[in-house]
Amino acid sequence: ELKVEQNPLFLSMQEGKNYTIYCNYSTTSDRLYWYRQDPGKSLESLFVLLSNGAVKQEGRLMASLDTKARLSTLHITAAVHDLSATYFCAVDNPSNTGNQFYFGTGTSLTVIP
Amino acid sequence: NAGVTQTPKFQVLKTGQSMTLQCAQDMNHNSMYWYRQDPGMGLRLIYYSASEGTTDKGEVPNGYNVSRLNKREFSLRLESAAPSQTSVYFCASRLRASNVLTFGAGSRLTVL
Repeated sequence: ELKVEQNPLFLSMQEGKNYTIYCNYSTTSDRLYWYRQDPGKSLESLFVLLSNGAVKQEGRLMASLDTKARLSTLHITAAVHDLSATYFCAVDNPSNTGNQFYFGTGTSLTVIP
Repeated sequence: NAGVTQTPKFQVLKTGQSMTLQCAQDMNHNSMYWYRQDPGMGLRLIYYSASEGTTDKGEVPNGYNVSRLNKREFSLRLESAAPSQTSVYFCASRLRASNVLTFGAGSRLTVL
């Protein structure tokens, strides 16, 4: 059974601080995705990581992938209130019948002044 | 360009009632997915359709049926709703050559 685990589940951090969200997965997939969900809204794609060692950055967020450790990190630099949201990682599991995308439990981030 | 459209946005059912959640995409995407989102559980895949005419079970298919009516539409049916099916349901689609899922706005279902 494929598992995708995120930690922490909840994160409250002060503006200006740095923090890292971790995503561990159990499959041998070398493709990992990060999504953002604002309260009451849908999910939006943040990053697509397609190989070991991949690193992507957008503003104050940076995502990386270590396929050997089956670990991805989402690093937040100098947090601002606008980053408050729930962040999900996901892996895809190709099969004979198509690609299944499995999501982690999500990390609810609150940035406080 | 509407993207992925889900209807209804909200629905309240009594135990044992049936209903269908509708999903349509106008992006010419090949694959479509149904997820449910529950607190502390993340998103769990119910069913998916890799292409028109095919459907397959995901992680939590029990109690649900799906129909890929054509390339645009993928519906999710609850034949006899149970309180455990109270959830927010998301439809998503993907172009075969892309790794990115495009999600609908979600449908909040409450089963009393």
